[in-house]
Amino acid sequence: GQNIDQPTEMTATEGAIVQINCTYQTSGFNGLFWYQQHAGEAPTFLSYNVLDGLEEKGRFSSFLSRSKGYSYLLLKELQMKDSASYLCAVVDSNYQLIWGAGTKLIIKP
Amino acid sequence: DGGITQSPKYLFRKEGQNVTLSCEQNLNHDAMYWYRQDPGQGLRLIYYSQIVNDFQKGDIAEGYSVSREKKESFPLTVTSAQKNPTAFYLCASSPGTSGYTGELFFGEGSRLTVL
Repeated sequence: GQNIDQPTEMTATEGAIVQINCTYQTSGFNGLFWYQQHAGEAPTFLSYNVLDGLEEKGRFSSFLSRSKGYSYLLLKELQMKDSASYLCAVVDSNYQLIWGAGTKLIIKP
Repeated sequence: DGGITQSPKYLFRKEGQNVTLSCEQNLNHDAMYWYRQDPGQGLRLIYYSQIVNDFQKGDIAEGYSVSREKKESFPLTVTSAQKNPTAFYLCASSPGTSGYTGELFFGEGSRLTVL
């Protein structure tokens, strides 16, 4: 079956750096998305990776290794507003989107 | 402003009742989707539509129905046949017509509670 694994919850300190990992086992691969979702709200797009390597976008970066079935989202200079769930989703060979359960990130002052 | 509007934001239903959740978009997107979100689980696809007057079942379509009579609108009906309908429902759209070729744009969600 298809599977995406993310840690359930992580805690970090304001101003620090945190890395949220995502490993996947899917039938084929056509890209990986990261979304941010604040409690009770809709997910919003953060990044899309289809080739290996690091994509940087301001304080957020996303890394992909297709050979390892692995991605991470790196958040720098953490702010309280970064407290949210971070969802990893993979596009499989049939162009269907498979979602992880999400990682709840708690930021402490 | 362009976007996706879902209504109602909160809905309470008695067992045995059908309810319809509205989803309207003015982004001129071809594809629209309905997801269900439960605590501790990833988003699960209920139905999707890539073109007007056509829609496909997702992974958990049983107990749900949809229509796509207009490009802008994709309402979801939660029928009495859905055994555990209490959940957070998300509508989304994307420009692509051949699967997930780009980011999804989500509505604010509708939280349905069955009493």
